[in-house]
Amino acid sequence: AQSVTQPDIHITVSEGASLELRCNYSYGATPYLFWYVQSPGQGLQLLLKYFSGDTLVQGIKGFEAEFKRSQSSFNLRKPSVHWSDAAEYFCAVGARGGADGLTFGKGTHLIIQP
Amino acid sequence: NAGVTQTPKFQVLKTGQSMTLQCAQDMNHNSMYWYRQDPGMGLRLIYYSASEGTTDKGEVPNGYNVSRLNKREFSLRLESAAPSQTSVYFCASSWARDVETQYFGPGTRLLVL
Repeated sequence: AQSVTQPDIHITVSEGASLELRCNYSYGATPYLFWYVQSPGQGLQLLLKYFSGDTLVQGIKGFEAEFKRSQSSFNLRKPSVHWSDAAEYFCAVGARGGADGLTFGKGTHLIIQP
Repeated sequence: NAGVTQTPKFQVLKTGQSMTLQCAQDMNHNSMYWYRQDPGMGLRLIYYSASEGTTDKGEVPNGYNVSRLNKREFSLRLESAAPSQTSVYFCASSWARDVETQYFGPGTRLLVL
């Protein structure tokens, strides 16, 4: 069965500092990987996704993520965070061609210090 | 283009009451999903509909039923609500040619007393 682990429940970062959110997955085949962001009281917005090809993917709002097969990781990064980045971030994995839903991690709550 | 819409936004129920959560999408997506989100648990799949006319159980289907009314609409029904069903419910949909990428609605917050 597939699974996603986000080791950090909370992360606090100063505004303007760099950010890395960790995601490790367990999946038998080549995974389809996603990062979603959820602002307070809102639904989930897709930040970026990895299907194949270049292992460094660019997303919206200045985020990027790197797929490392050897480490079963898909970490999210941003070089300089803004106060508006404070939110809950979810990593998810899905099956190629699978219309049977995604498996989500438990999320990382990002706090931005002024 | 409203994307994925959900009604109601908030609901309070008493134990044993029933209700239906509505979801609609205007993106001509084939697949639709219902998730629940609980603190510290992430999102868990309740039911999904890969295409119009089909529905399947997800990870946590007990206590729920679904209906894929047509291509646009996918409803979730709680026949006899329990406090354990207090949660935030999200509907999502995906396109046939990019079925893995899901687009989410704003959610329904449900409190069962």
